[in-house]
Amino acid sequence: DSGVTQTPKHLITATGQRVTLRCSPRSGDLSVYWYQQSLDQGLQFLIQYYNGEERAKGNILERFSAQQFPDLHSELNLSSLELGDSALYFCASSLLPDTSYEQYFGPGTRLTVT
Amino acid sequence: QQQVKQSPQSLIVQKGGIPIINCAYENTAFDYFPWYQQFPGKGPALLIAIRPDVSEKKEGRFTISFNKSAKQFSLHIMDSQPGDSATYFCAASTSGATNKLIFGTGTLLAVQP
Repeated sequence: DSGVTQTPKHLITATGQRVTLRCSPRSGDLSVYWYQQSLDQGLQFLIQYYNGEERAKGNILERFSAQQFPDLHSELNLSSLELGDSALYFCASSLLPDTSYEQYFGPGTRLTVT
Repeated sequence: QQQVKQSPQSLIVQKGGIPIINCAYENTAFDYFPWYQQFPGKGPALLIAIRPDVSEKKEGRFTISFNKSAKQFSLHIMDSQPGDSATYFCAASTSGATNKLIFGTGTLLAVQP
């Protein structure tokens, strides 16, 4: 158990809908990362937050947005969902946004868009 | 230039064998190279990591070999066990203001008893 929690574990929704994925980082970790894992794209970095502020952006679609709240939990919002958004979404956390600190991954949220 | 290329896509070895997974990168700004292990239904977990100032690092049965001039690094699993059957990802990152990981495409390893 990495100490990172993600809810829900599974999510099934229809095209055009909007969903929110939630992540609670390990106790004490200030930086949160979101990754998408799909069969065709592999594991891709989406976005990173550090202490409530956006720190880095990767291949995140404009239909997707995220935020980190004062209690350090983070939410990833996916809107106008398309079939291609079906994937595993992982949240990871680290104490600080530096390679000296290990990233711990949560168990993921499996999103299925029908 | 942000890519990390990983091979092979899948690998089958007998128990006790030494599977080798290879990765290559282009971006010379990368200075942190971790390997992650992922079991079905779980998130990736850090296995071992290396920085370019060393050519090899061992942790238990896992060894990373690093060739800075060739921009390649590899994972060796000594005395592999069926419990090592998992997907392995190499990754790369750059020290600095972020710690975003650029992942390879993954290698599905099966260790047969």
